[in-house]
This record gives sequence, structure tokens and C-alpha cells, in this order.
Amino acid sequence: LAKTTQPISMDSYEGQEVNITCSHNNIATNDYITWYQQFPSQGPRFIIQGYKTKVTNEVASLFIPADRKSSTLSLPRVSLSDTAVYYCLVAGNTGGFKTIFGAGTRLFVKA
Amino acid sequence: EAQVTQNPRYLITVTGKKLTVTCSQNMNHEYMSWYRQDPGLGLRQIYYSMNVEVTDKGDVPEGYKVSRKEKRNFPLILESPSPNQTSLYFCASSLSRGRKETQYFGPGTRLLVL
Repeated sequence: LAKTTQPISMDSYEGQEVNITCSHNNIATNDYITWYQQFPSQGPRFIIQGYKTKVTNEVASLFIPADRKSSTLSLPRVSLSDTAVYYCLVAGNTGGFKTIFGAGTRLFVKA
Repeated sequence: EAQVTQNPRYLITVTGKKLTVTCSQNMNHEYMSWYRQDPGLGLRQIYYSMNVEVTDKGDVPEGYKVSRKEKRNFPLILESPSPNQTSLYFCASSLSRGRKETQYFGPGTRLLVL
């Protein structure tokens, strides 16, 4: 299973763009990269998923360089309600069927 | 509405008293999983199930049991709970366990073992 590394925490202000980078040096060829958001005392929820280059949806963008050893979640113009923990997950058919969440990145958005 | 439900949401019990936390999904998902979340330790997988009657251990299976007799249900059983099992528990499901899986999480069950 690909191990992921993210910053433990980040601070931002309302209206700013936030970029959270995740390292996954041993990502396998078949692995996709998925990001989840978790609010306190709630279950994680899916934000975005990608395999390579760039993916954008109504919530975020995901940038994946050609070597796929890292990925960057970009949250445009964050608001106070974006304060949460963000998890990067690398999952695929290789390496068994366990799921391993890393420690996540705690984003705190200030007014 | 597509969802994962867990019951109970909150539970206080005493050491050694068997308990079951139920999990049900209405999305016809094959893959289901249980996690526990503790401060500073993130989400850790307890058990998972690839399909009916197919279960396997995650990273922290000690003290827990699971069963998957029906596709929609995946109960978590604590035969003899201990205080170190005090935690926030999440059930999750996904269509399959593969490259593009997206897991859907339940609302969580907060357990206190005295």
C-alpha cells in the first residue's frame, strides 16, 4: 500500500486559496488518488479523485504531476466552513484490500 | 437517499458487557469497512469485508469481531469491551475495492467503556 505524507496542519484566512500537498512516493501504476474532508465528529466525505494531470469539480482542484509521486489539493477562496481535516488516500487493486488513512492535514480558516 | 446508517450513535457501557454496533447501507455496495478514530491517531481500519461472508482484518482488529451475512449489513461486535476501546467508530462502504473506489461513511458511533 502506498504510504502518504501530508503536513499536520495549515492556517489560512477567508478568501484565500489553500493548497495542501500529499507525498506518495511508492504509488503504484493502478492507484488513484482520493481526497476526503472530515468535520469534527462526522465521517469523512469524498472531495475529489484523480489519476494524473488536473481534475476540477465544484469544490476543489487536484493537481498531479507526471511522476505521480505527489498531489496537491487546491481549495479556492476558502471560508470558515472549510475548517476541517483533509485526508489524502491512495488506493488501488494492488497490495491487498486494506485501506490506510494517514494523519491528515488540519486546516484552520480564520476570519 | 443513499446512505450508511449506524446504531447506536452514542453508547456508554461497562467493561466486559458484550455489545454490537450495527451498520447498514442502501447502495448495494460490495465493500464495507469499520474504522476507529482516536485523538492524534487518525482513522484506523478495524475490519473490512469484500462481499458477503468475506471478511478480513484491518490494522487494529484485536478485541473486535464482524460478520457479513447480508450485503447491506456489517455489524461490529465487541465481545468483552475494555476501556481502551473507548473511541469514535465509523462504518463505511464503497461499490468495490478498487482503483476508483469512493468510500461513503456513516455518521459515527461514540463509545465509552467504563
